[in-house]
Amino acid sequence: GAGVSQSPSNKVTEKGKDVELRCDPISGHTALYWYRQSLGQGLEFLIYFQGNSAPDKSGLPSDRFSAERTGGSVSTLTIQRTQQEDSAVYLCASSLALATGYEQYFGPGTRLTVT
Amino acid sequence: QKEVEQDPGPLSVPEGAIVSLNCTYSNSAFQYFMWYRQYSRKGPELLMYTYSSGNKEDGRFTAQVDKSSKYISLFIRDSQPSDSATYLCAMNDYGQNFVFGPGTRLSVLP
Repeated sequence: GAGVSQSPSNKVTEKGKDVELRCDPISGHTALYWYRQSLGQGLEFLIYFQGNSAPDKSGLPSDRFSAERTGGSVSTLTIQRTQQEDSAVYLCASSLALATGYEQYFGPGTRLTVT
Repeated sequence: QKEVEQDPGPLSVPEGAIVSLNCTYSNSAFQYFMWYRQYSRKGPELLMYTYSSGNKEDGRFTAQVDKSSKYISLFIRDSQPSDSATYLCAMNDYGQNFVFGPGTRLSVLP
């Protein structure tokens, strides 16, 4: 079946602009996760959704970051007033449920470059 | 101290070698331990996961967890050039605290 998809695959934006990153999880997966991977760094956990709910937003780097999920499916990560330090690969993953979060399936990522 | 540390640094081995990749961690609450493989410009791919201490084998891959030492390992037998990738360890507790190591870049030379 189809895996996790993300769009766009690459995004170049000017400092100060807003960007939206999209994630389509595997059909039937109720849990969805966003991570950030900077060059040479491990994955930084940002936020998770159970259904449409994100109970803990403390992992988001700043209040310029927000995320939502609608219909228990597609999720959007929005970065407002982008800064150069936001440049990274943003990865989305999904799992069948939160309880099986040890078995996450990742998308290919969106490579964000802020100039 | 970082929550998860991973060693060794970039690793190059000849084809057919046995590879050992390791992580140490500090949070004793971690119960699930995962290994992901990430090819260049791709998302991580789950190789295997282990619950609590013990060993798990899948083909040429063996994962070991020693919770008393807070140490986990991934062994790759008969390594192949197609195994060349970055390997990430990851772990979580029963909650939603997912922590990844920085990764080890492996090159298997033909």
